[in-house]
Amino acid sequence: AQSVTQLGSHVSVSEGALVLLRCNYSSSVPPYLFWYVQYPNQGLQLLLKYTTGATLVKGINGFEAEFKKSETSFHLTKPSAHMSDAAEYFCAVAQAGTALIFGKGTTLSVSS
Amino acid sequence: NAGVTQTPKFQVLKTGQSMTLQCAQDMNHNSMYWYRQDPGMGLRLIYYSASEGTTDKGEVPNGYNVSRLNKREFSLRLESAAPSQTSVYFCASRYVGHEQYFGPGTRLTVT
Repeated sequence: AQSVTQLGSHVSVSEGALVLLRCNYSSSVPPYLFWYVQYPNQGLQLLLKYTTGATLVKGINGFEAEFKKSETSFHLTKPSAHMSDAAEYFCAVAQAGTALIFGKGTTLSVSS
Repeated sequence: NAGVTQTPKFQVLKTGQSMTLQCAQDMNHNSMYWYRQDPGMGLRLIYYSASEGTTDKGEVPNGYNVSRLNKREFSLRLESAAPSQTSVYFCASRYVGHEQYFGPGTRLTVT
């Protein structure tokens, strides 16, 4: 069975600092991996995805993630945090033709 | 395109009442999904419909029913609401890729 673990339910950074949100997955077959962002009182918006090919994936708003098969990880990073990045972030995994399995989410706080 | 729309945005029910949450998508997507979101739990799949005319249970289907009315619409029904069903409900749709597109959510409170 597939599962997703997001390490740290809350992450706090200063504006301009590196953002690192951790995600580990388990899957018996090559996974498809996603990061979604949810702003307060809104739905989920796709940040980036990994399906096949290049393991470093770039997304919207300056975020990127690297698929590391040996570590079963798909950590999300951004070199310099902005106040507008404050939101909840969800990592998700899927296999072909199935629904997404979500992690429990990480709330990112950005202070000035 | 409106994408995925959900109605209503907010709802308060008393225990035992019934209601239907509506979802529609205008992206010609084949698959549609219903999730619930609870604090600290992430999103959990209630039901999904891989294509028009088919529905399947997800992780937490008890207390819910669904109808895939046509390719555009996928409704979620609570026959007898319980306080444990207080949650935020999200509908999503998917085409041939793997990413899902989400609606804005319905915030349901059952008292």
